[in-house]
Amino acid sequence: GNSVTQMEGPVTLSEEAFLTINCTYTATGYPSLFWYVQYPGEGLQLLLKATKADDKGSNKGFEATYRKETTSFHLEKGSVQVSDSAVYFCALSSYSSASKIIFGSGTRLSIRP
Amino acid sequence: GAGVSQSPRYKVAKRGQDVALRCDPISGHVSLFWYQQALGQGPEFLTYFQNEAQLDKSGLPSDRFFAERPEGSVSTLKIQRTQQEDSAVYLCASSSPIGETQYFGPGTRLLVL
Repeated sequence: GNSVTQMEGPVTLSEEAFLTINCTYTATGYPSLFWYVQYPGEGLQLLLKATKADDKGSNKGFEATYRKETTSFHLEKGSVQVSDSAVYFCALSSYSSASKIIFGSGTRLSIRP
Repeated sequence: GAGVSQSPRYKVAKRGQDVALRCDPISGHVSLFWYQQALGQGPEFLTYFQNEAQLDKSGLPSDRFFAERPEGSVSTLKIQRTQQEDSAVYLCASSSPIGETQYFGPGTRLLVL
């Protein structure tokens, strides 16, 4: 079945550091890939998405590229801020599974000033 | 416009009690999903509606869990005879049309004592 594996946390970085959170997936067909973010005390928000191979999703300085050959969708940001502290979830959905979302277990990110 | 809303935001139940969790999707959204998020984990799919039809309930963990959406808008997730393992955050999401971005509500945090 479909699944998502992402880097375990917690991840602690200093402000302005480079961020990578690794994510790989297993899926039949051609899934859409997502990164969701959950800020402290808030609900789950879509951060970015990509719907086909080689697409790059981007938002708020974050980027992730849909790599079909390596079944990966790693999240990157060049210079993190304290306000980026949150839990990040990699996820996929496929039309063949009625678009239900399969989530990874989440990576908690803490940024030190 | 208004996003997805859920009520109550917090619910404490004694083991064996029945609970009902409400979801108000974004107006006009055809698809509605329920997810369960255990502490420190990613959300897991429970069930899916398209309008009033429940098309997939494969994620419901037991027959104590029941969901309905009788008029194709508001949905209720009911848990009968709650157990401690039911303690989790219950998330509702809506989208339209199928396959498009799912928007999540703030969740209902259920604690079963």
